[in-house]
Amino acid sequence: RKEVEQDPGPFNVPEGATVAFNCTYSNSASQSFFWYRQDCRKEPKLLMSVYSSGNEDGRFTAQLNRASQYISLLIRDSKLSDSATYLCVVSPNSNSGYALNFGKGTSLLVTP
Amino acid sequence: GAVVSQHPSWVICKSGTSVKIECRSLDFQATTMFWYRQFPKQSLMLMATSNEGSKATYEQGVEKDKFLINHASLTLSTLTVTSAHPEDSSFYICSARIARGGNQPQHFGDGTRLSIL
Repeated sequence: RKEVEQDPGPFNVPEGATVAFNCTYSNSASQSFFWYRQDCRKEPKLLMSVYSSGNEDGRFTAQLNRASQYISLLIRDSKLSDSATYLCVVSPNSNSGYALNFGKGTSLLVTP
Repeated sequence: GAVVSQHPSWVICKSGTSVKIECRSLDFQATTMFWYRQFPKQSLMLMATSNEGSKATYEQGVEKDKFLINHASLTLSTLTVTSAHPEDSSFYICSARIARGGNQPQHFGDGTRLSIL
């Protein structure tokens, strides 16, 4: 079983739509959770960290369910510029010496 | 903010050439840096963890004699792809986390697109 699993999509949505991505992770001892965004042929960029209480940053809301080992990302009022691949990322430890485990990513295409 | 710089961005070489990629943390010290590789439509896969002043830790299936890592200072790690072949063509990305408490994300370099002809 892969450590981080995501639906690869693609998700094709019209501008202004709300879209949700889900992710599951296998290591119950995981400590740190993130959503990264990766544009085509570019490096991943941090979108937001995910906290146990859930957190929101503008149009983006992230949720973490430790009991179910499940992370979600909700994007409201989609913009054309939101088109990208969204990577669910988990780390076993918040210590800087630990690498991140990446999901394969979920592709989003927002259309006019 | 924290920045990780990676150089070069693009490399096109003949088969058999060795290629060195540099990864620098520009405004913070990184005792640990990470090297990832990403093939088209695939996830980032960790290749190795680079530790300043000691040997790198390689992931299963990654040949340490093929991918030489040197982390000689707190701000620089290098990855050398020795005698590169077409199957080594990929997107190589380095990253580092700031050594500070809390839920610190990793900061990535711009990546190096390696094409071996």
